[in-house]
Amino acid sequence: DAKTTQPPSMDCAEGRAANLPCNHSTISGNEYVYWYRQIHSQGPQYIIHGLKNNETNEMASLIITEDRKSSTLILPHATLRDTAVYYCIVRVSGTASKLTFGTGTRLQVTL
Amino acid sequence: KAGVTQTPRYLIKTRGQQVTLSCSPISGHRSVSWYQQTPGQGLQFLFEYFSETQRNKGNFPGRFSGRQFSNSRSEMNVSTLELGDSALYLCASARREIRDGYTFGSGTRLTVV
Repeated sequence: DAKTTQPPSMDCAEGRAANLPCNHSTISGNEYVYWYRQIHSQGPQYIIHGLKNNETNEMASLIITEDRKSSTLILPHATLRDTAVYYCIVRVSGTASKLTFGTGTRLQVTL
Repeated sequence: KAGVTQTPRYLIKTRGQQVTLSCSPISGHRSVSWYQQTPGQGLQFLFEYFSETQRNKGNFPGRFSGRQFSNSRSEMNVSTLELGDSALYLCASARREIRDGYTFGSGTRLTVV
């Protein structure tokens, strides 16, 4: 699986959009970008994933650059409950296999 | 629908003992994976089972083992516990075609004293 690079921490004011970047310059053509988050002492929670098109669900939006070497997870209106560590993972989809977690980005949402 | 259930939630064991952790996946999910999370190493993949067969294995010593039953429930076992085995052990389940990602349980926090 391709390696990812994320900033170690970010702050965001409640109600504002949180934009979390991820670099994955060695991504292969058949690798998807997945985002998970982990709220303190809980199991990671799946957020969204995509291959090359932008994706949106009820939790977030995922913007993938045209060359697929980077992506941004957008939480449109961050709340205090969005405070968590966010992990960007790239991997081949279609078969169950391991997830390689990096160190992620610790997002702190403040009043 | 019910999520991934891990039991017990907390466990304290003594060095040298062995421990068995249990994971019940979401109904219909046939893949079960196990992860270890420690402050120093982060989240690390242990192994994955699908239809009672180990399909993938991480870089852990043989003291760590697992199995999956015909109903997809899984157990992991750690023998001859060491202090460094203290960690949060997480189980995740998925359908064979994991378009929607893995669903994780809340974990079992193991403390070895």
